[in-house]
Amino acid sequence: AQSVTQLDSQVPVFEEAPVELRCNYSSSVSVYLFWYVQYPNQGLQLLLKYLSGSTLVKGINGFEAEFNKSQTSFHLRKPSVHISDTAEYFCAVSDLNSGYALNFGKGTSLLVTP
Amino acid sequence: GAGVSQSPSNKVTEKGKDVELRCDPISGHTALYWYRQSLGQGLEFLIYFQGNSAPDKSGLPSDRFSAERTGGSVSTLTIQRTQQEDSAVYLCASSSRRVNTEAFFGQGTRLTVV
Repeated sequence: AQSVTQLDSQVPVFEEAPVELRCNYSSSVSVYLFWYVQYPNQGLQLLLKYLSGSTLVKGINGFEAEFNKSQTSFHLRKPSVHISDTAEYFCAVSDLNSGYALNFGKGTSLLVTP
Repeated sequence: GAGVSQSPSNKVTEKGKDVELRCDPISGHTALYWYRQSLGQGLEFLIYFQGNSAPDKSGLPSDRFSAERTGGSVSTLTIQRTQQEDSAVYLCASSSRRVNTEAFFGQGTRLTVV
């Protein structure tokens, strides 16, 4: 069975600093990987996704993530964060064995302060 | 409608009562998901409908929980004999095809059991 681990439940960072939110997954087959963001009091929206091809994917708001098959990771990065990036970030995976149902990690709360 | 619609947006119920939560997916979307979001627990998968296939019910926490999807469109999540631990935000999402490229989420139903 697949699983998703987000290693950090909370990540505090200063404005304009770089940030990396970690995500590891386990699956015995090819996977599709996603990062979703939930701003305070809002619904979830897709940040970026990896389906195939280039392992470096770029998403909205300056975020990017790199698929590393050997390390089974899909870490999310941003070189310079803004106060408005404060939100909950969820990593998700789907694969054939799960019928392509989305399986989410527990989320990482990113808090950006001045 | 333009997006996934959930109703009601808020529901307060007494312990022991039954509740029904409704989800209207994006028109034409074949996949529909229900998740539960509790504070500090991330997104808990409940059930997944994909086209005419048998739903994946592996995430339903107890036999008090059930869901239906009529006509491949609207879905209803029913919780019988509600308990206080059922209090959470229930999220519905839909996507357009088997190999999921993006799931679109509704705003959720906040359920409070008193």
